[in-house]
Amino acid sequence: IQLTQSPSLLSASVGDRVTLSCKGSQNINNYLAWYQQKLGEAPKLLIYNTNSLQTGIPSRFSGSGSGTDYTLTISSLQPEDVATYFCYQYNNGNTFGAGTKLELK
Amino acid sequence: QVTLKESGPGILQPSQTLSLTCSFSGFSLSTSGICVSWIRQPSGKGLEWLATICWEDSKGYNPSLKNRLTISKDTSNNQAFLKITSVDTVDTAIYYCAQGIGYWGQGVMVTVSS
Repeated sequence: IQLTQSPSLLSASVGDRVTLSCKGSQNINNYLAWYQQKLGEAPKLLIYNTNSLQTGIPSRFSGSGSGTDYTLTISSLQPEDVATYFCYQYNNGNTFGAGTKLELK
Repeated sequence: QVTLKESGPGILQPSQTLSLTCSFSGFSLSTSGICVSWIRQPSGKGLEWLATICWEDSKGYNPSLKNRLTISKDTSNNQAFLKITSVDTVDTAIYYCAQGIGYWGQGVMVTVSS
């Protein structure tokens, strides 16, 4: 399964509601996770099984979707959210999306 | 507390075999449902899943690299391993091991250069 993330680069302001997209080439059956990676760090799990928030992750992060289309939403962007975000499917094999780089406007 | 730490040769030459070790604590690879994966990331690029080994010794490989990869485990010593044969410069990357999808090591840099 191939994953297509959009946009590849997103500029937003503090307090903005931000939406990142991840589309699969086949049905992912909700086995979709989202990771945040800051420069020089390992990826950090934010969301698993489409909409389950990992322990310790702020509630401004949420996930949704079904079938082939999935979304990560940050309800109110904070400066510490500047990072690259990857989606990851584990329904059929294992695949990462190419990432969305989120920067402050 | 789950921790994982990768180790490797640092630098190796083209055509050599890359051997990586993932040493972990806080879980056992003999526990039902537990799997360890290897993922890599070339500098400034995206993530690529390489292989997974699970508690009952099932294994999965990235189809595009399958012929070059071997994943294994040492349950007694809480370690998992990955070998990549016939490396080239395109194999230069940070290599991560992860338990399930939530716990990742810090990664180890591997450079392939003549």
